[in-house]
Amino acid sequence: DAGVIQSPRHEVTEMGQEVTLRCKPISGHNSLFWYRQTMMRGLELLIYFNNNVPIDDSGMPEDRFSAKMPNASFSTLKIQPSEPRDSAVYFCASRRARDPGYEQYFGPGTRLTVT
Amino acid sequence: KNQVEQSPQSLIILEGKNCTLQCNYTVSPFSNLRWYKQDTGRGPVSLTIMTFSENTKSNGRYTATLDADTKQSSLHITASQLSDSASYICVVITNAGKSTFGDGTTLTVKP
Repeated sequence: DAGVIQSPRHEVTEMGQEVTLRCKPISGHNSLFWYRQTMMRGLELLIYFNNNVPIDDSGMPEDRFSAKMPNASFSTLKIQPSEPRDSAVYFCASRRARDPGYEQYFGPGTRLTVT
Repeated sequence: KNQVEQSPQSLIILEGKNCTLQCNYTVSPFSNLRWYKQDTGRGPVSLTIMTFSENTKSNGRYTATLDADTKQSSLHITASQLSDSASYICVVITNAGKSTFGDGTTLTVKP
């Protein structure tokens, strides 16, 4: 299995531009998570989906952030318009909803820099 | 409020030495606790998992302990190697599957 796939791995953009981050979860996993990681705040859960349905988006910082999961094998996190304070590493993770250990498998992350 | 506190924030040790990382939590209802290792530039990877009834769990040179009464866990690394340099994140999961992450301990192993 290729694991969780994220693209792009690095993104540098100017303030005000739209940014779209992509994630392909592990096949067979039906829960998907988006996290943001910074030195100051550590790992923060932004949103998670069960069976393609958003369950908890309370971590989404503001309306500039949106996430979709149109099918079981693809999700996007969009920031529009982007701001310098959005600079962080964004991780996608997936797991089987019925895994008693609730282990999440993380992707390699997308390092976003907004100038 | 469910919280996970880790200490120390960072740690530097010499290769071959042992070290212990701490994790205190207030998360409830408790289901299990995981330690993740995050190498620089990569996503976290699970090292160990412990349920309520488990006191200790080993994975090679990594040994995790859990005291569910005091809500404390530790991760002990024996005979450290340069490749152990990473961030170690404690995660506590509730019965509903909700995860609360600690801020991590950054370990640097020097030759």
